[in-house]
Amino acid sequence: QKEVEQDPGPLSVPEGAIVSLNCTYSNSAFQYFMWYRQYSRKGPELLMYTYSSGNKEDGRFTAQVDKSSKYISLFIRDSQPSDSATYLCAMSAKGSGNTGKLIFGQGTTLQVKP
Amino acid sequence: SAVISQKPSRDICQRGTSLTIQCQVDSQVTMMFWYRQQPGQSLTLIATANQGSEATYESGFVIDKFPISRPNLTFSTLTVSNMSPEDSSIYLCSVDSGIHEQYFGPGTRLTVT
Repeated sequence: QKEVEQDPGPLSVPEGAIVSLNCTYSNSAFQYFMWYRQYSRKGPELLMYTYSSGNKEDGRFTAQVDKSSKYISLFIRDSQPSDSATYLCAMSAKGSGNTGKLIFGQGTTLQVKP
Repeated sequence: SAVISQKPSRDICQRGTSLTIQCQVDSQVTMMFWYRQQPGQSLTLIATANQGSEATYESGFVIDKFPISRPNLTFSTLTVSNMSPEDSSIYLCSVDSGIHEQYFGPGTRLTVT
């Protein structure tokens, strides 16, 4: 069993839709949870970072962490064609002000159709 | 956030040769990391490179195959040695901001023929 599971998709939605991306994990030591967006032939770009359980909102993006269920989500409201990319969840158990080793999900490919 | 550059951006190499990838950051950072992203796969950590000490390698990766240098707080290199087609991947460096955020470079796309 992989430490982090993420549905690879692909996920195709119409422009303006609400998108829900999810990851589950097995390691209860994970404390730091991140979402990265990766466009084709580019490096991953950090979208959201959350510590422990709870919600975090940034513009059209909302990250949720439920440590009791070992489940994290990223919601994209009013999705745009420019949101078409691969979304990677990543997690870390490291503390002390740095992230250390990140464990990544497989990535979900999202296509937003105009 | 840190600005990270990598050289080369891509290369095509012959089996049995070696390639050194450079990673440059625009600010001093303590921790730098090297990841591999194989075609259609997610990212896997190769090693952690700290300035002034030997790199720490993850299970399945060895120094003879992936030697790493970290001469200062803004620069690191990863060498892929004695390459085979199985080494064809995207190699990415990343840095830790010190506030629980990790940023990635654009990657080096390597094809081994």
